[in-house]
Amino acid sequence: GQNIDQPTEMTATEGAIVQINCTYQTSGFNGLFWYQQHAGEAPTFLSYNVLDGLEEKGRFSSFLSRSKGYSYLLLKELQMKDSASYLCALILTGGGNKLTFGTGTQLKVEL
Amino acid sequence: DSGVTQTPKHLITATGQRVTLRCSPRSGDLSVYWYQQSLDQGLQFLIQYYNGEERAKGNILERFSAQQFPDLHSELNLSSLELGDSALYFCASSERGQRGGEQFFGPGTRLTVL
Repeated sequence: GQNIDQPTEMTATEGAIVQINCTYQTSGFNGLFWYQQHAGEAPTFLSYNVLDGLEEKGRFSSFLSRSKGYSYLLLKELQMKDSASYLCALILTGGGNKLTFGTGTQLKVEL
Repeated sequence: DSGVTQTPKHLITATGQRVTLRCSPRSGDLSVYWYQQSLDQGLQFLIQYYNGEERAKGNILERFSAQQFPDLHSELNLSSLELGDSALYFCASSERGQRGGEQFFGPGTRLTVL
């Protein structure tokens, strides 16, 4: 089986930087995704890591270390609209292309 | 707007009933996925179709079934509904059926079973 763990909640200040961690235990995966989801809305794609290292996309960056079973999503210059749930998800090997999601981290951005 | 459409947006029904949720993937995407999101379970994969054929199955109940039609739209059928089936049901699509690739999610169907 696999466990994908994320902190349940985080709070940060507008304009600051926040790092959301994701740890996993799995025998193999093809890639790791980060999605953003506002309450009651569809998840929207943020980033995708296949190899170890950092992927940067504007204010959002994601890092993967396969040897450590660890990923993080870095959000810079936080805005109020970044208040949302952030979901870490894996595409496991041998499982078609299905996404296996973590529990999600609810981020609250305050003034 | 992801380009994935789902109907209906909301559905309220009674226990024991049967409902059909519909999904149209993005133009050109061959693969369709169904996910269930409830408060206590998070986002859970149900089933994947690729170009009309079932590709992968998750913890989908026997009361649930799905299919993908030649025009690539998909339907998820839920029968003998129970209170616990109340959830958001998302459809997603991707160009390919395996080895990664971004999945684009539709707006979801909120199912309430009374």
